[in-house]
Amino acid sequence: EVQLVESGGGLVQPGGSLRLSCAASGFTVSSNYMSWVRQAPGKGLEWVSAIYTGGSTFYADSVKGRFTVSRDNSKTTLYLQMNSLRAEDTAVYYCARDWRKGGFDYWGQGTLVTVSS
Amino acid sequence: QSALTQPASVSGSPGQSITISCTGTSSDVGFYNLVSWYQHHPGKAPKLMIYEVIQRPSGVSDRFSASKSGNTASLTISGLQADDEADYYCCSYSSSSTYVFGTGTKVTVL
Repeated sequence: EVQLVESGGGLVQPGGSLRLSCAASGFTVSSNYMSWVRQAPGKGLEWVSAIYTGGSTFYADSVKGRFTVSRDNSKTTLYLQMNSLRAEDTAVYYCARDWRKGGFDYWGQGTLVTVSS
Repeated sequence: QSALTQPASVSGSPGQSITISCTGTSSDVGFYNLVSWYQHHPGKAPKLMIYEVIQRPSGVSDRFSASKSGNTASLTISGLQADDEADYYCCSYSSSSTYVFGTGTKVTVL
């Protein structure tokens, strides 16, 4: 059974850093396209970042230069390193498997990141 | 990376059909056949309802169908049921290898 479980969320001060993890089971992270998607309180879904099978990475303009997506092939884990965090980064962060760019077919339950002093 | 435009809300009575539009540009919806639709109940993980414009994943009711014309994609829910009440989002692959979600539509079953 395919499952994605995020962890690492929490309260962080503006300017701080946090690393999110997404543990995958039932499939291999490195053999799939993977993405991070977030939802700020009261807002809609926003795509954040993607990593493809070849290792190429892509980012939304709102996080480019501050966030880094990576994966640990041996542990089938996806990561999102978030630096220089801002209040507007407060959101529930989901990891999702990307089916050939055509849709995100499996999602985790999300982890809440709160950026506040 | 401007969000795709969806109506804020759509409502219908049980058994009726409703359609949600999703308008983008020639750089996303209009260029790629890579539009997907998601059902999202608050506090839960989004659920893929449609992928690659018109494809329905196994397990998704055939009451859900979709189409695309030019820069606008559409999701139709037929035979509306109470548990269809949720937020719905479209999403498209876009130029520069990014993705853009729609603004979201709240579906209310009257």
